[in-house]
Amino acid sequence: EDKVVQSPLSLVVHEGDTVTLNCSYEVTNFRSLLWYKQEKKAPTFLFMLTSSGIEKKSGRLSSILDKKELFSILNITATQTGDSAIYLCAVEGGYSGGSNYKLTFGKGTLLTVNP
Amino acid sequence: DAGITQSPRHKVTETGTPVTLRCHQTENHRYMYWYRQDPGHGLRLIHYSYGVKDTDKGEVSDGYSVSRSKTEDFLLTLESATSSQTSVYFCAIRRGGTDTQYFGPGTRLTVL
Repeated sequence: EDKVVQSPLSLVVHEGDTVTLNCSYEVTNFRSLLWYKQEKKAPTFLFMLTSSGIEKKSGRLSSILDKKELFSILNITATQTGDSAIYLCAVEGGYSGGSNYKLTFGKGTLLTVNP
Repeated sequence: DAGITQSPRHKVTETGTPVTLRCHQTENHRYMYWYRQDPGHGLRLIHYSYGVKDTDKGEVSDGYSVSRSKTEDFLLTLESATSSQTSVYFCAIRRGGTDTQYFGPGTRLTVL
């Protein structure tokens, strides 16, 4: 059974702080790892990682994948109150073995950024 | 915006009644998914579809059925709603070019 564990489950920081969110996984036929941001609505896509050691960046957010150790981190630098959200990590199993590109999600990290 | 709509957006119903939620997409994607989201559990896959009339179960499929008679519509049915099915339901599509899933706006279902 595929499994995704995120830590911490919740985090409170002050504006300007840097945060690191963690995601470890066990999945058969690993294809990709995805990060989503969820405010009071549907999850919105942030990053997809497929290769080890390659950092993906978007503004103050960055993420990297370690396929040998089976984890990923999401970094947010110079946090702002608008970064307050639930951050979801998900892994996708590939088509071989009949998984049909299903995503397995972690429980998420609730980030609160105080002014 | 991945061209996904869900209806209804909110629904309150009574235990034992049938409920159907609709997911509609405008971009002709092959793969569609239904998830539920509950506090402490994250997003869990209910059912998914890999083509017209091709569906399969996810990890929490008990009490739910689905149908896909045309590419653009994926229906989720609760045959006899129970209070444990009170949840927020999200539909998603998998966009082939980017190999990523994008989510609809969600339906909040309350079963009294």
